[in-house]
Amino acid sequence: GNSVTQMEGPVTLSEEAFLTINCTYTATGYPSLFWYVQYPGEGLQLLLKATKADDKGSNKGFEATYRKETTSFHLEKGSVQVSDSAVYFCALQGSSNTGKLIFGQGTTLQVKP
Amino acid sequence: NAGVTQTPKFQVLKTGQSMTLQCAQDMNHEYMSWYRQDPGMGLRLIHYSVGAGITDQGEVPNGYNVSRSTTEDFPLRLLSAAPSQTSVYFCASSYYVPSVITYEQYFGPGTRLTVT
Repeated sequence: GNSVTQMEGPVTLSEEAFLTINCTYTATGYPSLFWYVQYPGEGLQLLLKATKADDKGSNKGFEATYRKETTSFHLEKGSVQVSDSAVYFCALQGSSNTGKLIFGQGTTLQVKP
Repeated sequence: NAGVTQTPKFQVLKTGQSMTLQCAQDMNHEYMSWYRQDPGMGLRLIHYSVGAGITDQGEVPNGYNVSRSTTEDFPLRLLSAAPSQTSVYFCASSYYVPSVITYEQYFGPGTRLTVT
């Protein structure tokens, strides 16, 4: 079945450091891929998405490229801020058109001043 | 638009009690779903609905019931609460974007449930 694997956290970085959070997936067909962010005490917000191979999603300085050959969707940001501290979830939506999301386990990011 | 609203924000139940978690959306979305979030496990789908009168099971449906009598509301019922149901529950609604064959999902703020 479909699944998503994220790198284990927590990830601790200093402000202005480069961020990578790895995400790989297993799926049949052509899923859509998402990154969601959860700030402390809040619900999930869509950060970015990509719906086909080689698409690059981007938002708020974050980027991720849909790599079908490596089944990956790694999240990157060139210079993190303290306000980026949150839990990040990689997710996929299968190509069976049901709308169900499969989530990775989440990666906690802590950015120190 | 209020988006997706959930009540209550927090709830403590004793084992064996029943309760209903409320979820409402004002975006006229056809698709709604319930997830639970547990440490180290991400979010897992409990039940979902593709429209009023239509519901189906997700990955972890046992111990939960749903119904969808209107487009706006999708309550989640715990029939007899167990400690294993201690979790944070998120409701989501979504609409279909045919050009990219994808649903855009919007999440509520969550309900933190503790079963003692």
